[in-house]
Amino acid sequence: AQSVSQHNHHVILSEAASLELGCNYSYGGTVNLFWYVQYPGQHLQLLLKYFSGDPLVKGIKGFEAEFIKSKFSFNLRKPSVQWSDTAEYFCAVGASGTYKYIFGTGTRLKVLA
Amino acid sequence: DGGITQSPKYLFRKEGQNVTLSCEQNLNHDAMYWYRQDPGQGLRLIYYSQIVNDFQKGDIAEGYSVSREKKESFPLTVTSAQKNPTAFYLCASTRGGMSQPQHFGDGTRLSIL
Repeated sequence: AQSVSQHNHHVILSEAASLELGCNYSYGGTVNLFWYVQYPGQHLQLLLKYFSGDPLVKGIKGFEAEFIKSKFSFNLRKPSVQWSDTAEYFCAVGASGTYKYIFGTGTRLKVLA
Repeated sequence: DGGITQSPKYLFRKEGQNVTLSCEQNLNHDAMYWYRQDPGQGLRLIYYSQIVNDFQKGDIAEGYSVSREKKESFPLTVTSAQKNPTAFYLCASTRGGMSQPQHFGDGTRLSIL
């Protein structure tokens, strides 16, 4: 069965620290990969996505992610976090041919000012 | 402004009652989804629909029902058979094709009285 794992459930960082959130998936076919963010009191919104081409993708607000096919990973990174990045982050996989998106359990990030 | 509207924002249910959550989109998207979000469990798929008058069960469909009579509407009924309905429910839509990101509503929080 397809699954998505986010190993970091809670992360606390100080402002200006670097961020890397892990995401691993299990699916043998073609995948489309997404990172979503849910700020407190707001709806889920897309940070970035990958479906083909350059495995290093850039998203909004300075976030980027790298697709490593051999490791089935799509880790999210940001060189320097801000207090406003405090949110919950979800990795998701859209498996071609299934019409379903599978979400990870989410990572709660708290950035200390 | 295009988007997804979920109503109500908060809903309370008595034991043994069915309740219906509304989801309307004006994005002209073909596919619509219902998710349940519980702390630490991410988003779990309840039902999804690729086209009007057609829908499929997701991973946790027991105790729920849906209809898709119009392209823009995908209501979810939480029946009395759902033994643990207290949760945050999210509706989403996509244009079609698994490389497309999902657009989310603001959610409905359902609580049992």
